[in-house]
Order: sequence, then structure tokens, then C-alpha cells
Amino acid sequence: GAVVSQHPSWVICKSGTSVKIECRSLDFQATTMFWYRQFPKQSLMLMATSNEGSKATYEQGVEKDKFLINHASLTLSTLTVTSAHPEDSSFYICSARVWGYEQYFGPGTRLTVT
Amino acid sequence: AQKVTQAQTEISVVEKEDVTLDCVYETRDTTYYLFWYKQPPSGELVFLIRRNSFDEQNEISGRYPWNFQKSTSSFNFTITASQVVDSAVYFCARISNFGNEKLTFGTGTRLTIIP
Repeated sequence: GAVVSQHPSWVICKSGTSVKIECRSLDFQATTMFWYRQFPKQSLMLMATSNEGSKATYEQGVEKDKFLINHASLTLSTLTVTSAHPEDSSFYICSARVWGYEQYFGPGTRLTVT
Repeated sequence: AQKVTQAQTEISVVEKEDVTLDCVYETRDTTYYLFWYKQPPSGELVFLIRRNSFDEQNEISGRYPWNFQKSTSSFNFTITASQVVDSAVYFCARISNFGNEKLTFGTGTRLTIIP
């Protein structure tokens, strides 16, 4: 149980285009979902926290107009990278939480912007 | 922010050797949880160990005996009889027991097992 999926697993896009990444909790309902970004050889950095039906809370330094997060249901959150640039190339990981402290991680999405 | 420190950036050991990964954390909380995750080259985070701050008894989970020392805020774990498939980046993390506390990751330790 507690499986989280992400789609796509990898994506290549051209500079200036937008990319949407989906995060789904497959066998449980997640009240909260988290989005992390990981640059090569670095740790995971929390980008934002989203609760179903409400606006996401972004970490300091993360542009909310560039990284649009929608948590429309208890099983789906989406991250849209708008007007992507090469510096947005990274590994994006989502996690989902039912309650308390336990987070279940998705397999990640590798974004390359050319 | 309450930091998690993994002083070992990279470690290489020969297959079948034991290797210990170190983690030191900061906390102002009396109740918190500590984790170890493995991240193989595929990128997916694999959960390995969870320890709460209540119980200081050290246990063994399969090949992963861990050592939780609350007095020194350390949470180390050992991979016994290492295998090539253990080569990965290992992250230590902590979270408070309260509400919307964020999961804080250490900087990671890259482990290479040499066949």
C-alpha cells in the first residue's frame, strides 16, 4: 500500500514552453502533497506544500507564478513549470501524506529544458 | 531551520565490508522522527529506517543495524556485508511530530561498493 506515482517519468521540452507533472496517490487519499526539487549531486529541497482544495504554500525563493501547483483532489496534485528555461532542468519529486509525519514519495520526474 | 548534517560526502568500500553512515541533527523538539532513505541511480527514494525520539533502543532491521544516540543527536546506521547493489546516495532526514512540520533532509552520502 501507500503508492505514489508521477507522470511523466522524464520529459524534454524547449525553452519557453510549459510542462505539467502529475503526482497521484494510488491507494490512499492524501490530505497534503509536497513538491521537491533536486539538482544533480544535491539534496532534496522542498518547493511547496499543497493541501487539497486550497492554495499551495511556497518556500522562500520559489516563484509561485513560475511553479503552479494545483491540488484539485485528494489523490492528485499537479506541478506546472511555466515558461521553462534550462536552469529549471532538475529532478522533481512529489510526496503525499495522509496525516501525521509519514510521507510517501513518488518515483520522480526528470525535466530537461533545451 | 533545524539542520541535518551528513559529514561524509562520499564513501567507497570493498564488497562484503561493513560501512557506517553518520547523521547528526539539530532539534528543539522533544518529539521527532528520524529517517534514512536510499536513492539509487534511478532516482526513486527508498525508505529504509524510521526511528522516533521516544525509544532509544537500538535495533537491527535486516542488514541495517542502527545506532540512535539522543544525547549526541546522532542517528547512524550500518550496512553489513555490503553488496554492489547498495551503491547509492543515502539521505538522513528528520521531522517533528507537530502538525505541518517539514521533512528536513541532510546533504546525502554517496556510497560506492567496489566489487
